[in-house]
Amino acid sequence: DVKVTQSSRYLVKRTGEKVFLECVQDMDHENMFWYRQDPGLGLRLIYFSYDVKMKEKGDIPEGYSVSREKKERFSLILESASTNQTSMYLCASSSSGGETQYFGPGTRLLVL
Amino acid sequence: GQQVMQIPQYQHVQEGEDFTTYCNSSTTLSNIQWYKQRPGGHPVFLIQLVKSGEVKKQKRLTFQFGEAKKNSSLHITATQTTDVGTYFCAGAGSASKIIFGSGTRLSIRP
Repeated sequence: DVKVTQSSRYLVKRTGEKVFLECVQDMDHENMFWYRQDPGLGLRLIYFSYDVKMKEKGDIPEGYSVSREKKERFSLILESASTNQTSMYLCASSSSGGETQYFGPGTRLLVL
Repeated sequence: GQQVMQIPQYQHVQEGEDFTTYCNSSTTLSNIQWYKQRPGGHPVFLIQLVKSGEVKKQKRLTFQFGEAKKNSSLHITATQTTDVGTYFCAGAGSASKIIFGSGTRLSIRP
């Protein structure tokens, strides 16, 4: 079974803080993704990566950056958290051949 | 850019009634996937459709991919309380980019 884990289920941060969200997958997947999920807006892609040290902007990359130093780990960074970044953050991974995405449990971030 | 629209946003049905959610893409898709997210959970892959006009069934769930590969539907026959959750379609278009629909949230009256 594919396992995707995220470092925290719940996180509370203050405006202006730097926030790190970590995601690890154990299936040697090439592709990793970060989404945010908000009511009525579905899943919106923030950043994705098809290989180590490679990153591509998704639909809403502003205010975020990512890091992929190792194949199994994909980190999402909020350089200076703002209240409009309060959301559920979901990490996903997939193999290079298939497009089925396997999701982590999500991190619910509250920025005060 | 590519857009994937999903309707309805919410559906509340009596247990035993049928349920359908529809997905429409602005561009032709190479494939479409469906995911289910239980309340408090994360999206879980259900199925992928690839061929034009394809129909697949999983017990009470029927998935269809349109002839033009721009729309899809998920139909649940005789809903049960275990069907509660949000159903997302995800279309794969150009450059293998996957776009998720906004989801249909299904709630059920026992």
